[in-house]
Parts: sequence; structure tokens; C-alpha cells
Amino acid sequence: GAGVSQSPSNKVTEKGKDVELRCDPISGHTALYWYRQRLGQGLEFLIYFQGNSAPDKSGLPSDRFSAERTGESVSTLTIQRTQQEDSAVYLCASSLEPPGQYNEQFFGPGTRLTVL
Amino acid sequence: DQQVKQNSPSLSVQEGRISILNCDYTNSMFDYFLWYKKYPAEGPTFLISISSIKDKNEDGRFTVFLNKSAKHLSLHIVPSQPGDSAVYFCAALYGGSQGNLIFGKGTKLSVKP
Repeated sequence: GAGVSQSPSNKVTEKGKDVELRCDPISGHTALYWYRQRLGQGLEFLIYFQGNSAPDKSGLPSDRFSAERTGESVSTLTIQRTQQEDSAVYLCASSLEPPGQYNEQFFGPGTRLTVL
Repeated sequence: DQQVKQNSPSLSVQEGRISILNCDYTNSMFDYFLWYKKYPAEGPTFLISISSIKDKNEDGRFTVFLNKSAKHLSLHIVPSQPGDSAVYFCAALYGGSQGNLIFGKGTKLSVKP
């Protein structure tokens, strides 16, 4: 079956512009996570969606970052007024319903964002 | 403050020998640990995990050891193969969390033929 897909695979933008990144999770996965990986760093948690519950936004680095999810399907991560420090690979992962037990997170290939 | 640390950014091993990747953590609330493997331009893929109630978990060529008193875990790959060349991330989560993983910075493993 299809895995997690993300688009675009690469995005180059100018400082100050807004960008929107898309994630299509595995069908039937109720949990969806966004992470980012800056150069030389580990993956950093950004936001978590679970079903129709309010998302956990505790990892978002600033109010320029927001994300939405339509039901249990597509999610979009929006970065407004991009800055050079936003340059990173943005990774999306989905899993069967947590919490209480660990369910494997399946990652997409990521979107490489470059802010000039 | 990094809660999960991988202090070796790279490791080079000869094919057929053992690869040992190390990971240290600071948060004693962590109760589940995972290793992910990442190839260039791909997302990380789950490799092996261990619960904090165990000290060893084995899956084929891969074994993870957990030393809770030292807050240390390691991944052993025996025998190492060229296809194992990738970046390996150690990750952790704690009970009651919503599953968001805390990652180390990764160790790039190169297995030479």
C-alpha cells in the first residue's frame, strides 16, 4: 500500500514569503506528526494531530508556524513570513492511534525548504 | 538542552565486523526507546525498539541494549553490510506523551566493503 507522501519534495523561497507544505498520511492512521530537521540536527517535534482532538502545538517554534488537518487525512503546514532559519527538511509521520502504547510512526520523504 | 545525545557524528566499519552505535539520554521519564535508519532523500524508517523494562531486544542482525542506571543504550549490528550505510537516529518517548519522539542528532554509519 501507499506510504506517507509529502509535497513538494523541494521548495526554494525568498525571505518573507509564505509557504505551504502538504502531507498525505497512510490511510487509516489517526495520528499525524510534523517534525523538522535542520542541518546537523536531529528531528525536532513541531505539532501532533489525533483524530478530532485539538492538536498539540507545543513544538511550534513561533506563531509564524501553523498547521491544519482535514479529518483524518491531509495535513498542511504553513510558515508565514519565512526566515532563513526556517530552512530545514520538514518531515511528516503517521501512525495508528496512540497514546498508551507505542505505534510505529511511518515517515514521509520530507520537504526540503530553502529560504534565501 | 538535548535530552537524547548521540555523541559520535560518524562511524566507519569494515564489512562483516560489528557496528556499535551509542546513545545517551538525560530524562529518566523516558520508557521507550527506538532506533531509526535514514537514507539520503528518504524519511527515517523504524529499525528496532526497546521498552525500559527490558535490557535487550534482538531482531536478526540488530540488537539494542539498554542500561537504565547509566541512561545509555546502544545498537549493535552484526555482521555489518554495505547496505547498512545510513544515518541512525536514536529516539525516545515517555509514558503519557502523545507519541512525539525525542530524537538525537544521528550517527552516520559507513560500512566499507
